[in-house]
Amino acid sequence: NAGVTQTPKFQVLKTGQSMTLQCAQDMNHEYMSWYRQDPGMGLRLIHYSVGAGITDQGEVPNGYNVSRSTTEDFPLRLLSAAPSQTSVYFCASSPGTGANYEQYFGPGTRLTVT
Amino acid sequence: KNEVEQSPQNLTAQEGEFITINCSYSVGISALHWLQQHPGGGIVSLFMLSSGKKKHGRLIATINIQEKHSSLHITASHPRDSAVYICAIVKVWNTDKLIFGTGTRLQVFP
Repeated sequence: NAGVTQTPKFQVLKTGQSMTLQCAQDMNHEYMSWYRQDPGMGLRLIHYSVGAGITDQGEVPNGYNVSRSTTEDFPLRLLSAAPSQTSVYFCASSPGTGANYEQYFGPGTRLTVT
Repeated sequence: KNEVEQSPQNLTAQEGEFITINCSYSVGISALHWLQQHPGGGIVSLFMLSSGKKKHGRLIATINIQEKHSSLHITASHPRDSAVYICAIVKVWNTDKLIFGTGTRLQVFP
Protein backbone atom coordinates (compact mmCIF):
# COMPACT_ATOMS: atom_id res chain seq x y z
CA ASN A 1 0.00 0.00 0.00
CA ALA A 2 1.23 3.47 -0.84
CA GLY A 3 -0.88 4.91 2.02
CA VAL A 4 -1.79 8.58 1.60
CA THR A 5 -0.07 10.35 -1.28
CA GLN A 6 -0.01 14.06 -2.03
CA THR A 7 1.15 15.95 -5.08
CA PRO A 8 2.94 18.21 -5.63
CA LYS A 9 5.48 18.32 -2.79
CA PHE A 10 6.30 21.98 -3.45
CA GLN A 11 4.46 24.69 -5.37
CA VAL A 12 4.95 28.41 -5.94
CA LEU A 13 1.97 30.41 -7.16
CA LYS A 14 1.40 34.03 -7.99
CA THR A 15 -1.46 35.88 -6.31
CA GLY A 16 -4.71 35.21 -8.15
CA GLN A 17 -3.66 31.92 -9.73
CA SER A 18 -5.68 28.79 -9.10
CA MET A 19 -4.46 25.26 -8.55
CA THR A 20 -5.45 21.87 -7.21
CA LEU A 21 -3.57 19.95 -4.53
CA GLN A 22 -4.03 16.24 -5.07
CA CYS A 23 -4.60 13.68 -2.32
CA ALA A 24 -5.19 9.97 -2.78
CA GLN A 25 -5.32 6.94 -0.49
CA ASP A 26 -5.39 3.26 -1.32
CA MET A 27 -6.63 1.94 2.04
CA ASN A 28 -10.38 2.23 1.28
CA HIS A 29 -10.75 4.79 4.08
CA GLU A 30 -14.07 6.58 4.38
CA TYR A 31 -12.83 9.71 6.21
CA MET A 32 -10.48 12.16 4.51
CA SER A 33 -9.46 15.63 5.57
CA TRP A 34 -7.29 18.59 4.63
CA TYR A 35 -5.28 20.65 7.14
CA ARG A 36 -2.98 23.60 6.92
CA GLN A 37 -0.01 24.07 9.22
CA ASP A 38 1.36 27.53 9.93
CA PRO A 39 4.27 28.49 12.21
CA GLY A 40 3.24 28.84 15.85
CA MET A 41 -0.23 27.41 15.22
CA GLY A 42 -1.63 23.93 15.45
CA LEU A 43 -2.89 22.11 12.41
CA ARG A 44 -6.20 23.60 11.31
CA LEU A 45 -8.96 21.74 9.49
CA ILE A 46 -9.91 23.17 6.10
CA HIS A 47 -12.45 20.65 4.75
CA TYR A 48 -13.31 17.05 5.43
CA SER A 49 -15.31 14.20 3.96
CA VAL A 50 -16.97 11.26 5.69
CA GLY A 51 -17.47 9.35 2.45
CA ALA A 52 -17.74 9.65 -1.32
CA GLY A 53 -20.14 12.42 -2.29
CA ILE A 54 -20.11 14.01 1.19
CA THR A 55 -17.98 17.01 2.16
CA ASP A 56 -18.16 19.61 4.90
CA GLN A 57 -16.32 22.69 6.05
CA GLY A 58 -13.75 22.76 8.78
CA GLU A 59 -12.30 25.63 10.75
CA VAL A 60 -10.72 27.63 7.88
CA PRO A 61 -12.60 26.83 4.62
CA ASN A 62 -12.59 30.25 2.94
CA GLY A 63 -10.73 30.30 -0.37
CA TYR A 64 -10.75 26.52 -0.75
CA ASN A 65 -13.07 24.04 -2.47
CA VAL A 66 -13.17 20.26 -2.26
CA SER A 67 -15.03 17.40 -3.88
CA ARG A 68 -15.13 13.66 -3.21
CA SER A 69 -16.28 11.80 -6.28
CA THR A 70 -14.46 8.58 -5.33
CA THR A 71 -13.41 6.97 -2.06
CA GLU A 72 -9.74 7.22 -3.08
CA ASP A 73 -9.37 10.88 -4.08
CA PHE A 74 -9.94 14.14 -2.22
CA PRO A 75 -8.51 17.12 -4.15
CA LEU A 76 -8.24 20.59 -2.61
CA ARG A 77 -8.75 23.54 -4.96
CA LEU A 78 -7.42 27.02 -4.35
CA LEU A 79 -9.73 29.29 -6.29
CA SER A 80 -7.65 32.50 -6.37
CA ALA A 81 -4.44 32.17 -4.41
CA ALA A 82 -3.55 34.78 -1.80
CA PRO A 83 -0.31 35.26 0.18
CA SER A 84 -2.28 34.29 3.33
CA GLN A 85 -2.59 30.80 1.85
CA THR A 86 1.17 30.29 2.04
CA SER A 87 1.37 27.23 4.26
CA VAL A 88 2.11 23.53 4.47
CA TYR A 89 -0.93 21.45 3.55
CA PHE A 90 -1.54 17.95 4.86
CA CYS A 91 -4.12 15.45 3.73
CA ALA A 92 -5.17 12.67 6.11
CA SER A 93 -7.46 9.66 6.07
CA SER A 94 -8.88 7.24 8.61
CA PRO A 95 -10.80 4.00 8.39
CA GLY A 96 -13.90 5.21 10.26
CA THR A 97 -16.38 7.94 9.46
CA GLY A 98 -14.99 10.43 11.95
CA ALA A 99 -11.98 11.50 13.96
CA ASN A 100 -12.27 8.70 16.54
CA TYR A 101 -9.97 6.49 14.49
CA GLU A 102 -6.25 6.37 13.83
CA GLN A 103 -5.25 9.07 11.37
CA TYR A 104 -2.93 8.48 8.41
CA PHE A 105 -1.21 11.57 7.04
CA GLY A 106 0.25 12.32 3.64
CA PRO A 107 3.76 13.80 3.32
CA GLY A 108 2.52 17.36 2.87
CA THR A 109 2.61 20.05 0.18
CA ARG A 110 4.57 23.23 0.83
CA LEU A 111 2.80 26.10 -0.96
CA THR A 112 4.19 29.61 -1.38
CA VAL A 113 2.02 32.38 -2.82
CA THR A 114 3.89 35.48 -3.95
CA LYS B 1 -8.30 30.62 24.64
CA ASN B 2 -7.08 27.46 22.90
CA GLU B 3 -9.10 24.38 23.74
CA VAL B 4 -5.90 22.29 23.70
CA GLU B 5 -2.77 23.42 25.48
CA GLN B 6 0.56 21.61 25.43
CA SER B 7 3.53 22.04 27.71
CA PRO B 8 6.34 22.58 27.49
CA GLN B 9 6.62 24.24 24.07
CA ASN B 10 10.26 23.22 23.78
CA LEU B 11 12.19 20.51 25.57
CA THR B 12 15.80 19.44 25.44
CA ALA B 13 17.12 16.26 27.02
CA GLN B 14 20.22 14.11 27.20
CA GLU B 15 20.09 10.65 25.74
CA GLY B 16 18.67 8.19 28.26
CA GLU B 17 16.51 10.68 30.13
CA PHE B 18 12.83 10.11 30.91
CA ILE B 19 10.66 12.61 29.04
CA THR B 20 7.15 13.84 29.86
CA ILE B 21 5.03 15.99 27.55
CA ASN B 22 1.71 17.30 28.80
CA CYS B 23 -1.61 18.06 27.12
CA SER B 24 -4.54 19.81 28.81
CA TYR B 25 -7.92 20.46 27.28
CA SER B 26 -10.98 22.40 28.32
CA VAL B 27 -13.92 20.53 26.76
CA GLY B 28 -15.51 17.10 26.95
CA ILE B 29 -13.83 14.67 24.60
CA SER B 30 -14.48 11.28 23.08
CA ALA B 31 -10.83 10.63 22.19
CA LEU B 32 -7.36 12.13 22.31
CA HIS B 33 -4.59 11.55 19.78
CA TRP B 34 -0.83 11.81 20.14
CA LEU B 35 1.05 12.40 16.89
CA GLN B 36 4.73 12.72 16.02
CA GLN B 37 6.02 15.11 13.35
CA HIS B 38 9.49 14.23 12.13
CA PRO B 39 12.08 16.91 11.31
CA GLY B 40 11.39 16.21 7.63
CA GLY B 41 7.73 17.15 8.17
CA GLY B 42 5.96 13.79 8.03
CA ILE B 43 3.26 13.16 10.66
CA VAL B 44 2.56 9.74 12.16
CA SER B 45 -0.05 8.65 14.66
CA LEU B 46 1.37 7.34 17.95
CA PHE B 47 -1.70 6.72 20.10
CA MET B 48 -5.42 7.25 20.31
CA LEU B 49 -6.86 7.16 23.83
CA SER B 50 -10.26 7.48 25.41
CA SER B 51 -9.29 6.26 28.88
CA GLY B 52 -6.43 4.78 30.89
CA LYS B 53 -3.02 4.09 29.47
CA LYS B 54 -1.39 2.72 26.32
CA LYS B 55 2.18 1.59 25.75
CA HIS B 56 4.15 1.01 22.58
CA GLY B 57 7.83 0.27 22.94
CA ARG B 58 9.42 3.13 24.90
CA LEU B 59 6.35 5.34 24.55
CA ILE B 60 3.56 5.50 27.12
CA ALA B 61 0.44 7.63 26.90
CA THR B 62 -1.96 8.24 29.77
CA ILE B 63 -5.18 10.16 30.07
CA ASN B 64 -7.21 11.40 33.05
CA ILE B 65 -10.67 12.29 31.78
CA GLN B 66 -11.78 13.88 35.08
CA GLU B 67 -8.77 16.22 35.14
CA LYS B 68 -8.88 16.81 31.36
CA HIS B 69 -5.21 15.97 31.04
CA SER B 70 -3.01 13.58 29.10
CA SER B 71 0.70 12.86 29.23
CA LEU B 72 3.11 11.30 26.76
CA HIS B 73 6.16 9.68 28.32
CA ILE B 74 9.32 8.54 26.56
CA THR B 75 11.57 6.21 28.52
CA ALA B 76 15.31 5.93 27.78
CA SER B 77 15.16 8.77 25.24
CA HIS B 78 17.31 8.62 22.12
CA PRO B 79 18.35 11.26 19.57
CA ARG B 80 15.99 9.66 17.03
CA ASP B 81 13.10 10.67 19.32
CA SER B 82 13.81 14.30 18.37
CA ALA B 83 10.59 15.54 16.79
CA VAL B 84 7.52 17.65 17.41
CA TYR B 85 4.87 15.85 19.46
CA ILE B 86 1.30 16.96 18.85
CA CYS B 87 -1.81 16.38 20.94
CA ALA B 88 -5.24 16.50 19.30
CA ILE B 89 -8.73 16.03 20.73
CA VAL B 90 -12.09 14.88 19.40
CA LYS B 91 -14.92 16.77 21.08
CA VAL B 92 -17.69 14.60 22.42
CA TRP B 93 -20.39 16.48 20.48
CA ASN B 94 -18.43 16.81 17.22
CA THR B 95 -16.66 13.60 16.39
CA ASP B 96 -15.94 14.59 12.77
CA LYS B 97 -13.10 16.95 13.65
CA LEU B 98 -9.71 16.98 15.33
CA ILE B 99 -8.63 20.04 17.34
CA PHE B 100 -4.86 20.30 17.60
CA GLY B 101 -2.43 21.68 20.13
CA THR B 102 0.54 23.68 18.88
CA GLY B 103 3.02 20.90 19.61
CA THR B 104 6.06 20.30 21.81
CA ARG B 105 9.45 20.38 20.12
CA LEU B 106 11.78 17.77 21.65
CA GLN B 107 15.50 17.62 21.04
CA VAL B 108 17.48 14.74 22.51
CA PHE B 109 21.27 15.14 22.50
CA PRO B 110 23.77 12.25 22.61
